Amino acid sequence: DAGVTQSPTHLIKTRGQQVTLRCSPKSGHDTVSWYQQALGQGPQFIFQYYEEEERQRGNFPDRFSGHQFPNYSSELNVNALLLGDSALYLCASSSRALNSPLHFGNGTRLTVT
Amino acid sequence: AQSVSQHNHHVILSEAASLELGCNYSYGGTVNLFWYVQYPGQHLQLLLKYFSGDPLVKGIKGFEAEFIKSKFSFNLRKPSVQWSDTAEYFCALRGGYNTNAGKSTFGDGTTLTVKP
Repeated sequence: DAGVTQSPTHLIKTRGQQVTLRCSPKSGHDTVSWYQQALGQGPQFIFQYYEEEERQRGNFPDRFSGHQFPNYSSELNVNALLLGDSALYLCASSSRALNSPLHFGNGTRLTVT
Repeated sequence: AQSVSQHNHHVILSEAASLELGCNYSYGGTVNLFWYVQYPGQHLQLLLKYFSGDPLVKGIKGFEAEFIKSKFSFNLRKPSVQWSDTAEYFCALRGGYNTNAGKSTFGDGTTLTVKP
C-alpha cells in the first residue's frame, strides 16, 4: 500500500529561480494539499486540489501555483524564489470525507541561496 | 479565521511519567480536531482525531485526548510515557461542515523528549 511520495527530497535553488515539487498521493486518495513548514513552526496551508482544480488557498502569493493531474498526482510550483521560501514543503493526501485525516509525505527540503 | 495554539514548545519527561500537552483553538463553528505525531526521521502521522460524539477520544499507542468545547481545548494525554514516545506532536484543526477534507490549521508543535 503506497503512501504519499514526494520528489525530490532536497533541492537547492538560487533567489529568483523557479522550482517544481512533485507529489503522488496515497492509493485511494483523490485530494492533495500542500503545506509549507518553516523551522520551528507547524505546517502552513498553501492550497488544496481535487478534481484537478484548486479548491482552497491559504495566505500565499500568486508565485505559488499548483496542478493536479488525472491520476491525482500533483505539482507545486514556486516562481521568483525568495530567501524566505526556504522551508520543508509537505504534501498531504486524503479522501474527501469530512473527518478524513491527512496522510503526509516525507517532504521536500528547499533551500534558496 | 481559525488558529491553534500549543503552549508547550519543549517537554522533557522521564519514562513512566504522565503526559499532558495543551492545545487551544479559535474557531466559531463546528470543528474537527487532530493530533499528529512525527517520530525522528519519519513523516507526520495521525495519532487521533475528534469528529463528534464522545469528547474523550483514544488513539494509537495509549494516547487519548479530551475535547472541551467550553474551553476551546483538545489536550493530549498519556498516563505513562515511554522512551519511544520521543517525537514532535502537532495539534490541528479543520473547521466547518464542508464535505471535503479542506484546510487544516496546525499549531507550532511540542517537542517531547523522554529520558530512559
